This record gives sequence, structure tokens and C-alpha cells, in this order.
Amino acid sequence: AQRVTQPEKLLSVFKGAPVELKCNYSYSGSPELFWYVQYSRQRLQLLLRHISRESIKGFTADLNKGETSFHLKKPFAQEEDSAMYYCALIQGAQKLVFGQGTRLTINP
Amino acid sequence: SAVISQKPSRDICQRGTSLTIQCQVDSQVTMMFWYRQQPGQSLTLIATANQGSEATYESGFVIDKFPISRPNLTFSTLTVSNMSPEDSSIYLCSAQGEDQPQHFGDGTRLSIL
Repeated sequence: AQRVTQPEKLLSVFKGAPVELKCNYSYSGSPELFWYVQYSRQRLQLLLRHISRESIKGFTADLNKGETSFHLKKPFAQEEDSAMYYCALIQGAQKLVFGQGTRLTINP
Repeated sequence: SAVISQKPSRDICQRGTSLTIQCQVDSQVTMMFWYRQQPGQSLTLIATANQGSEATYESGFVIDKFPISRPNLTFSTLTVSNMSPEDSSIYLCSAQGEDQPQHFGDGTRLSIL
């Protein structure tokens, strides 16, 4: 079965430090992966998708099929990056499977 | 991207009653979905809302408990029936256009006493 694993429930880093949120997946086909973010008191919103290969708010994520990973990275964390981050993949019929989420806290 | 409105945003209900949640999208979309997020948990797909036909339910979810309607391409409802405290969750609607990623509503926070 398809599965998304985010090993860290909580992650805390200092402002200006690099950030890496880990995501591993299991999927038998060719995966389509996403990162969603939920800021305090806001709706869940798409941060980036692997097929776009773009950088959003300084974040990037590269799909590594060999390691079945899609880690989210940012070289210099900002306080406004504090949020809940969910990694997700698409399985058949466009259904999203979510990881458990990582709560990122950026300390001043 | 589509703007998704959900209502009510929250409700407190008595056990044994039912509540219908509405989801309105500001443009025509191909797919609409309903998710549940239990306290401290991630999102779990309940069902795919199919326009003009019965919804497609995921394992562990049944139509009698979570009847879903989708009368057109921009509107869907989810009913939580015969509620118990275990149904206390956030219920989220999402929508997806052609070749577009899924976008989510604000969710409905439901508490059952």
C-alpha cells in the first residue's frame, strides 16, 4: 500500500539556520509528490509539487527515487516559516495520501 | 486556483444527531473530495464526491454514516450521521481542476457532546 512517512513530528531550528523536513514514501508506480503547509489559523495550502521543480518561499524539494524521498529544504529559516508541514503523494484517481505532518518552529 | 468555501466553520452537536457540511467552489472543477482530520492526526480521505452519481468511499467509511452529494461541478455536501463523540474531527473539502493540484477549504470543526 502507498504510504508517506514523516519521521519528525516536531522540528525546531533557529532563525537563519538551514531547515530540512524529511519525507519518505512507498509507492509501486511513478509517484507524484507534494508539500502542503498550514500556517496558524489558515487553511491547508499547497507549497510545492515535485513536477513543478520550482522554489516557493525559498523552499525546494527534490524527488529521489533511489532513496524514495522528497525532503523539503530551505537554506535560511525565517520566523514566518513556523507552521505544520504535510508531505503527500497522489495514488490512483487523484487521491492524496498524507504523511503525519511535521510541526516546524523557528526560534528567534 | 479555485476558492473553496465550507460551512459551517464549526459546530457543537448532540450525539445521535446529524450534520450536513456544505462545500462551494467558485469555478467548475473535475474532482471534489472529503477528508477527516481527527485530533492530533493527519488527513484521511473519506470519499471522492462524484458529480451526478454515488460517491466512492475509502476503506472504513460507509455511505450510511457519511452520505455525500454532488449535484453539480461546483457544490458538494457531506453529512455526518448519527454522531458520536468519536466523530469529533475537522472535516475538509478539497477540489481539483484539470491538471491542477488539490486545494482545500478552511474545514469544519465538529464537536459532539
